[in-house]
Amino acid sequence: EAGVAQSPRYKIIEKRQSVAFWCNPISGHATLYWYQQILGQGPKLLIQFQNNGVVDDSQLPKDRFSAERLKGVDSTLKIQPAKLEDSAVYLCASSFLRGGGGNTIYFGEGSWLTVV
Amino acid sequence: GQQVMQIPQYQHVQEGEDFTTYCNSSTTLSNIQWYKQRPGGHPVFLIQLVKSGEVKKQKRLTFQFGEAKKNSSLHITATQTTDVGTYFCAYATSGTYKYIFGTGTRLKVLA
Repeated sequence: EAGVAQSPRYKIIEKRQSVAFWCNPISGHATLYWYQQILGQGPKLLIQFQNNGVVDDSQLPKDRFSAERLKGVDSTLKIQPAKLEDSAVYLCASSFLRGGGGNTIYFGEGSWLTVV
Repeated sequence: GQQVMQIPQYQHVQEGEDFTTYCNSSTTLSNIQWYKQRPGGHPVFLIQLVKSGEVKKQKRLTFQFGEAKKNSSLHITATQTTDVGTYFCAYATSGTYKYIFGTGTRLKVLA
């Protein structure tokens, strides 16, 4: 079974530039998550999709971050304009159900962003 | 609001020693999951606990969920160098499916 695919793996941009990350979840997984992990911290949930609808985006900085999941499969996370504090690993994850009741969350390898 | 503390933040042990990390919540949790993240890697699911007082074992790892479902622990017996990494608890409060990760415990095993 293929895992969660993410690209690019690494990205270095200057502040105020834009960047986009792509995620392809495990086939058949209805729930997709984007987490932000700053070095030395735990993953922080940015947004959670159920199929192509948003379940939770309370921690997404909507003035600069946007995410979509067209057709309920692939997803993109965009940052525009980037700030220095956005330097982090952006982890995409997916699960079969809506995250509860014996549901495993599978993570991708992550997209490492450095803003200079 | 929900507050979950994970302790300790760091732990260095000699190979062969035991290790325990704790996840403590101020409110009742519907369930709790544990993940391991190797240096430079991504979190990998270890286990989920749902029932009050539940205990599960995976080889040298023992997971417990407190009777009040407000705390959980992960215990590793006789650590090995392959146990190195950061261990996170992740929890969802009752009525939600939003998983929040703890701050993690970084384990270093000295050979």
